[in-house]
This record gives sequence, C-alpha cells and structure tokens, in this order.
Amino acid sequence: GDSVVQTEGQVLPSEGDSLIVNCSYETTQYPSLFWYVQYPGEGPQLHLKAMKANDKGRNKGFEAMYRKETTSFHLEKDSVQESDSAVYFCAPDLEYGNKLVFGAGTILRVKS
Amino acid sequence: KAGVTQTPRYLIKTRGQQVTLSCSPISGHRSVSWYQQTPGQGLQFLFEYFSETQRNKGNFPGRFSGRQFSNSRSEMNVSTLELGDSALYLCASSPGAGGRETQYFGPGTRLLVL
Repeated sequence: GDSVVQTEGQVLPSEGDSLIVNCSYETTQYPSLFWYVQYPGEGPQLHLKAMKANDKGRNKGFEAMYRKETTSFHLEKDSVQESDSAVYFCAPDLEYGNKLVFGAGTILRVKS
Repeated sequence: KAGVTQTPRYLIKTRGQQVTLSCSPISGHRSVSWYQQTPGQGLQFLFEYFSETQRNKGNFPGRFSGRQFSNSRSEMNVSTLELGDSALYLCASSPGAGGRETQYFGPGTRLLVL
C-alpha cells in the first residue's frame, strides 16, 4: 500500500552544519510532495512543496527535489540555524483529494 | 485573513462519553480535513469533507464521524470514548477539492480521556 518513510527520531547538528532529512514514499500514483513543519503548541504549517517531477521546493534556505525515479523528496540545507529547530514531516498527497500521508516526523534540534 | 480556528482548545472527558470538536476554515476554503496526532501513531488522516460531502475516510472505527455545514464549518464527533482516543485533533482547510493543494492547519484540540 501507499506509505512514506523519513529519517526517524532526532537529528542534532550544530549551527552551521549541513543537513539532509531523508524522505521516501511508495505509491502507484503521481503525488504532490510536501514538507510540513510543526512548532510546539501549533499545528503543522507548510514548509515547502513540489508538484511534479524535477520540481524543487525552496523555503528559508531549505530545498527538496521531487525525484520521481527514486520516489524521494529529501530535505536539505547547507547551513542550519538554531531557529530551524522544530519537527519536520514529509507528507505526500497520495490520494486524490486533500489526504496527506504523513511520515513519522524528524525532530531537528540545532545546537548553538 | 484569519487562520483556521478550532474549539475548544482543550478538553477532558471520561471513558464512555462522547465529544464534539469544531473547526472553522479559512474564509473561502471549502475543503476541511481532520487528523489525529499521537506520540505513538503520529499524524493520521481521519476524513475530509468538501461541499458538505465526505470524500475520503481514513482507517478509524465508526465511532469517529464528522460533518460539514453549508458555510464550510466542520465538526467531528467521537462516541463512546476510549483511553486511546486521547490525542491532538487537527483540522486543516484548503481552497478546493482537487488535491495537490496546500492544507492550512489549525492549532488543534487536545483531548484527554480519563
């Protein structure tokens, strides 16, 4: 069935380190791909998105490339900041009609 | 534009009771989706409504139900509450029905079942 797997648990880079958070999905469909970010006490909010193969989503120095051939949408940043600390969710839209399938979430804690 | 609002923000119930949660979408948005967030299961899709019709449903028991009104506001109901229903319930709205749209989440209703 349709599923999504992302880097699990916590990631603990230092400020200025590079970052990759992996996301891979399985589906027979052609989904839209989203990364959502969640801060304490809030609902998730859109971080970036890509609608079709080879599109690149960008936001606040983060990037993710829609790679259809490897069914992946890895989140990358060259130099993380403490303010990037949050929980990040990969969320393909795997079925027609506003139904997101969320990964387990990756806790990013950037050390200053 | 005001964001998605959910009421109440916090709720404590006991096993066997029922609960109704409310969601007001962003003005002009016609699709409302509901998600359950727990530490163990993460974020799971409950159902989605568009123009007062349920279009998608997740893998939850029939105790979980919802509806949408003509002004796009939505409610979800959980009957015969169980301890495992303790969770953050999130509502999200989007403009249309086509999928591939950004969903805008509210702050959630935190339900504790004792």
